[in-house]
Amino acid sequence: GAGVSQSPSNKVTEKGKDVELRCDPISGHTALYWYRQSLGQGLEFLIYFQGNSAPDKSGLPSDRFSAERTGGSVSTLTIQRTQQEDSAVYLCASSSIRTGGNGYTFGSGTRLTVV
Amino acid sequence: DAKTTQPTSMDCAEGRAANLPCNHSTISGNEYVYWYRQIHSQGPQYIIHGLKNNETNEMASLIITEDRKSSTLILPHATLRDTAVYYCIVRVGYGGSQGNLIFGKGTKLSVKP
Repeated sequence: GAGVSQSPSNKVTEKGKDVELRCDPISGHTALYWYRQSLGQGLEFLIYFQGNSAPDKSGLPSDRFSAERTGGSVSTLTIQRTQQEDSAVYLCASSSIRTGGNGYTFGSGTRLTVV
Repeated sequence: DAKTTQPTSMDCAEGRAANLPCNHSTISGNEYVYWYRQIHSQGPQYIIHGLKNNETNEMASLIITEDRKSSTLILPHATLRDTAVYYCIVRVGYGGSQGNLIFGKGTKLSVKP
């Protein structure tokens, strides 16, 4: 597609439930990133996929968070047993070494609210 | 941690130039300076980047000091739609596949009529 697509755009879930957030990167982009942004805060790196390499999971805040990227394209971020502090906007970005200096293209995010 | 320091907020009059400073005193020789902005409720948007030379594109100009320890993003004629949080980021490499971007808190620019 023309841009990075994330779904759903909004998600309200009950504390303790699992949620899955989806990211469709720009076609052909080899790198994919997940960030989260709590209300009024900056962006916090979560995880980074680059081609077939092992992902960089150094930003995941706990073992309740996991992500996968199937076929080098679509990625799913899963949060198990959600807590209220997980409420944030989850942003996905993709990039390709061929994009040169334009760097990273971000999606509009998924706003997660845990009640 | 972010390797940059930016003022928390700035105001600018509509139609005037907005000059946003950034300090990156520990920048390495192979690190580029990138600027992104985030308009309310949207994902960050790439603006411009540079290594050591000044750069200009349709959105902005980037002035990097000779010692590369600081830079200034210039929006030549700010409009109300330029109200956003502006992030200055340094990172190794060129292009889109050199690791994640580390965002600081950025500068909240408010363009006023």
